Amino acid sequence: DVKVTQSSRYLVKRTGEKVFLECVQDMDHENMFWYRQDPGLGLRLIYFSYDVKMKEKGDIPEGYSVSREKKERFSLILESASTNQTSMYLCASSWVVAGVYEQYFGPGTRLTVT
Amino acid sequence: AQSVSQHNHHVILSEAASLELGCNYSYGGTVNLFWYVQYPGQHLQLLLKYFSGDPLVKGIKGFEAEFIKSKFSFNLRKPSVQWSDTAEYFCAAGGNTGFQKLVFGTGTRLLVSP
Repeated sequence: DVKVTQSSRYLVKRTGEKVFLECVQDMDHENMFWYRQDPGLGLRLIYFSYDVKMKEKGDIPEGYSVSREKKERFSLILESASTNQTSMYLCASSWVVAGVYEQYFGPGTRLTVT
Repeated sequence: AQSVSQHNHHVILSEAASLELGCNYSYGGTVNLFWYVQYPGQHLQLLLKYFSGDPLVKGIKGFEAEFIKSKFSFNLRKPSVQWSDTAEYFCAAGGNTGFQKLVFGTGTRLLVSP
């Protein structure tokens, strides 16, 4: 069974703090993703990684950075948290099933920036 | 540009009613299509997917979807909903070559009243 875990379910941070969100997958998947989920906006891709130390910007990378030092771990970093980054953050990893890449999601981290 | 549109933002049904959620996509090249579901407090789960072959796809929990290429649509259906189907449903589209990013719709919140 694929397992994607995220370090926290709920997080409250102050404006200007540096925030780390951690994601770990246990299936040796090469591809990993960070999304944010907001009501009425669906899921929007922040960053993704297709290999260790490789990263690509998604649709909304501003204000975020990522790190992938090990294959199983993909971290999202908010360099200086702002209130408009209050959101649900979802991590996913993907693998090929019958020729199709399927994404598996973690439980999410609900981040509140005050 | 790649995009996915879900026409219904909120749907309210009584138990045993039939369900159809609309999804239209705009995607260059060969496309893979997905429906994900997020039950209250749970992580996003794959309901079903289409990548080739029979355009009528069956998924888990009695859901099915039909790919109509001429209409760029991938609507989700269930003949008789249950209270436990209350959830948010997301349609997504992605390519099938190499690394795959998914583009998500904005989601449809379904409330099934007992």
